Amino acid sequence: GAGVSQTPSNKVTEKGKYVELRCDPISGHTALYWYRQSLGQGPEFLIYFQGTGAADDSGLPNDRFFAVRPEGSVSTLKIQRTERGDSAVYLCASSPTRQTEQFFGPGTRLTVL
Amino acid sequence: KQEVTQIPAALSVPEGENLVLNCSFTDSAIYNLQWFRQDPGKGLTSLLLIQSSQREQTSGRLNASLDKSSGRSTLYIAASQPGDSATYLCAVRGGSYIPTFGRGTSLIVHP
Repeated sequence: GAGVSQTPSNKVTEKGKYVELRCDPISGHTALYWYRQSLGQGPEFLIYFQGTGAADDSGLPNDRFFAVRPEGSVSTLKIQRTERGDSAVYLCASSPTRQTEQFFGPGTRLTVL
Repeated sequence: KQEVTQIPAALSVPEGENLVLNCSFTDSAIYNLQWFRQDPGKGLTSLLLIQSSQREQTSGRLNASLDKSSGRSTLYIAASQPGDSATYLCAVRGGSYIPTFGRGTSLIVHP
C-alpha cells in the first residue's frame, strides 16, 4: 500500500512569509509525528497527534509554529513569519499506534531566503 | 532528559566486512528502540524495532541487540555491500512515547 507522503518536496520562501507543509499518513494510522532535521543532525521532535488532537506539542520551538489534523488523517504544519533559522527538512511519520513502528515520509526541504 | 549517542559518527569500510554500529542512551526506562537508515536527501527507512522486553531482532543481514540495563544497543551488519552505504540512526522511545534520535553513523562501503 501507499506510504507516508509529504508535499511539497521543496519549498523556497522569503523571510517573513507564511508556509504550510502537508503530510498524508498511511491509512488507518492513528499516531502522527512531525520532526525537523538539520544537516548532520538526527530528527528533532516537534509535535505528536493521536487521532485529531495534539497529544504532545512540547517540541514546537515557538508560537510561530502550529499544526492541525482536523479529521485524524492528513496533517498540516504551519509556520508564520518564517525566519532563516527555520530552514531545514521537515519530516512526518505515522504509526498504527503510539507504541508501534514509525514510518517516515520523504520530507519537505524548506529554505527561507 | 533522554540523550542518545551514536558511535562512530562516520565509518568507511571495504565491501564484505562485518560491522557494528553503536547506540547508547542515558535513561534506561525505555519502551522500545528503533533503527533506521537514511539515504542522502531522503526520509528514514525503518530497519528493526526492538521492544524493551526483547534482547535482539534480526532481519536478513541485520541484527540489532538491546541491553536496557546498560543503556546500549548495537546494530550488526554482516557481509557489508556498497548498497548499505547510508546514515544509520537509532531512536529511543520512553514513557512519553516521543522518540529521541541520535545524530547517526554515516557509513560508506566501498567496492
